[in-house]
Amino acid sequence: AQKVTQTQTSISVMEKTTVTMDCVYETQDSSYFLFWYKQTASGEIVFLIRQDSYKKENATVGHYSLNFQKPKSSIGLIITATQIEDSAVYFCAMREGPPNAYKVIFGKGTHLHVLP
Amino acid sequence: EAGVTQSPRYAVLQEGQAVSFWCDPISGHDTLYWYQQPRDQGPQLLVYFRDEAVIDNSQLPSDRFSAVRPKGTNSTLKIQSAKQGDTATYLCASSYPLGLGGASYEQYFGPGTRLTVL
Repeated sequence: AQKVTQTQTSISVMEKTTVTMDCVYETQDSSYFLFWYKQTASGEIVFLIRQDSYKKENATVGHYSLNFQKPKSSIGLIITATQIEDSAVYFCAMREGPPNAYKVIFGKGTHLHVLP
Repeated sequence: EAGVTQSPRYAVLQEGQAVSFWCDPISGHDTLYWYQQPRDQGPQLLVYFRDEAVIDNSQLPSDRFSAVRPKGTNSTLKIQSAKQGDTATYLCASSYPLGLGGASYEQYFGPGTRLTVL
């Protein structure tokens, strides 16, 4: 069965520093997709970045990057040069391959506070 | 391109009342999801559709919950006889069809409906 676990409930960092948020997952599938989403204070949820399990290279989008450690079933989100507006809740999510290809489950989230 | 729209944005009910939530996904997205997000928790999958077909509704909390997507576009989630434990934000999300070789696409979320059951 699919499972996504985020153990960090809350993290506080100073502006312009780098932060890593952890996520571990469980799956029996050999092919799966991992996502990170951001939920702002207004409640809006937006997609940030994706990692396909068959790709060895870590995905990077803007100041977001991933640390994909497949043997450890781990997908960390790294935010460099954090900004005040990065303060939000970050969710890790996973989608398996067929026949469960449409099912997406989320972790409980990590609340990031970026301090001036 | 218009995003995912949901209505109403807020609902306040007494226990035992019924409520319906409506979702209009992004045009061209064949897959539609309903999530329940209790306060300070992650989105919890309730049901999802491909076109008009329910793929999996096993996570609906009880028979009080039902969801339809009759024409493969808009969808309605209904709660019969709401309970205080149903208090949460109800999120609708949609995504493009899976790509070649099962390539996956991200979900686009609507603004949610914040439900309070007194």
